[in-house]
Amino acid sequence: EDQVTQSPEALRLQEGESSSLNCSYTVSGLRGLFWYRQDPGKGPEFLFTLYSAGEEKEKERLKATLTKKESFLHITAPKPEDSATYLCAGTQGAQKLVFGQGTRLTINP
Amino acid sequence: SQTIHQWPATLVQPVGSPLSLECTVEGTSNPNLYWYRQAAGRGLQLLFYSVGIGQISSEVPQNLSASRPQDRQFILSSKKLLLSDSGFYLCAWSVSGGEKLFFGSGTQLSVL
Repeated sequence: EDQVTQSPEALRLQEGESSSLNCSYTVSGLRGLFWYRQDPGKGPEFLFTLYSAGEEKEKERLKATLTKKESFLHITAPKPEDSATYLCAGTQGAQKLVFGQGTRLTINP
Repeated sequence: SQTIHQWPATLVQPVGSPLSLECTVEGTSNPNLYWYRQAAGRGLQLLFYSVGIGQISSEVPQNLSASRPQDRQFILSSKKLLLSDSGFYLCAWSVSGGEKLFFGSGTQLSVL
């Protein structure tokens, strides 16, 4: 069964304290790995798509990387406004994403 | 530019009552449309998706149904709500053949 697992479930950091979120997947024939940001009470907002092992993408303080078994979302010198739940999802194609449970990130000032 | 509208934002319904949630997309043609549910502390669960008018695929057997009466309109319905139907419902769209999803703002449904 296709599965996406994120860790940790929750992470609390001080402002400026860099860290990484993990997303491991067992999606056979993975065609894409997606990262989304979700603020409380709102829909997820697209961040990145990664297609092949070794690929990296950056946006402001966020960098996403992909290996054959997992993806990491690195957060460098985070600010309080980076606080959100970060979701990853994998797809084999067929227009369906399999989502992980998310990591709830809190950045304290 | 493309936009997605989903309403209502919040809904409180008694057990056994009907449900109708509506979602519309603007600025694109022939999108793929999706309904997801997000229970507290859990990941997004795909409920239905549609690749065209009248074409609905159901992912999870349940008390809900979906319809696509127009190209850019997607409706989630129930004849009789259950307590277990409570959750955060999200509509999303993608370009035809694509997997990158764009989500609406969601509906928080509480069944009491």
